[in-house]
Amino acid sequence: DADVTQTPRNRITKTGKRIMLECSQTKGHDRMYWYRQDPGLGLRLIYYSFDVKDINKGEISDGYSVSRQAQAKFSLSLESAIPNQTALYFCATSAGEGEQETQYFGPGTRLLVL
Amino acid sequence: QKEVEQNSGPLSVPEGAIASLNCTYSDRGSQSFFWYRQYSGKSPELIMFIYSNGDKEDGRFTAQLNKASQYVSLLIRDSQPSDSATYLCAIEQGDYKLSFGAGTTVTVRA
Repeated sequence: DADVTQTPRNRITKTGKRIMLECSQTKGHDRMYWYRQDPGLGLRLIYYSFDVKDINKGEISDGYSVSRQAQAKFSLSLESAIPNQTALYFCATSAGEGEQETQYFGPGTRLLVL
Repeated sequence: QKEVEQNSGPLSVPEGAIASLNCTYSDRGSQSFFWYRQYSGKSPELIMFIYSNGDKEDGRFTAQLNKASQYVSLLIRDSQPSDSATYLCAIEQGDYKLSFGAGTTVTVRA
């Protein structure tokens, strides 16, 4: 079984709808991250969390919110989806410092907002 | 100026050749540097981690770090068609966050 899982894998929604993307991990890592990837722009950090009580905004948090329900679960919500939020979304986890800053990615969720 | 810049590519190399990928960064305080490989439609996976100046070799991959010049590079020796992918440079930005470059797409011609 995959260490980092994301659901759904693909989602089509309409402008104005609220949607949630979920991430679960079995790696036992405290740190979890949400990124979006757009062609030519690389990975951009939306939110990150270092434990259940610690939530931080990344570089592009506007229009998004997150919830850390447990050490193993980190959800991303789009409050009112808009077409420019169409992207590939990745969840990632990491353990600590130095080489343990290595981030391990889930398989991604492909989101299309019509 | 973007925090992490990669040569934009795409980079096309013949099978068996060396592919050379470059990455420059702006934060002199960065301590940890990563190279990820991403196949089309898949998630990024770690290839190399480096934190000391100099070279680090792992199989056909060599990462080179020069903190004074603020660049990190990746060499792929004896390139294989299976190396065709996008390679992402990631730099630790403090607070255990990584900044990613836009990636360089490599195509290995059989």
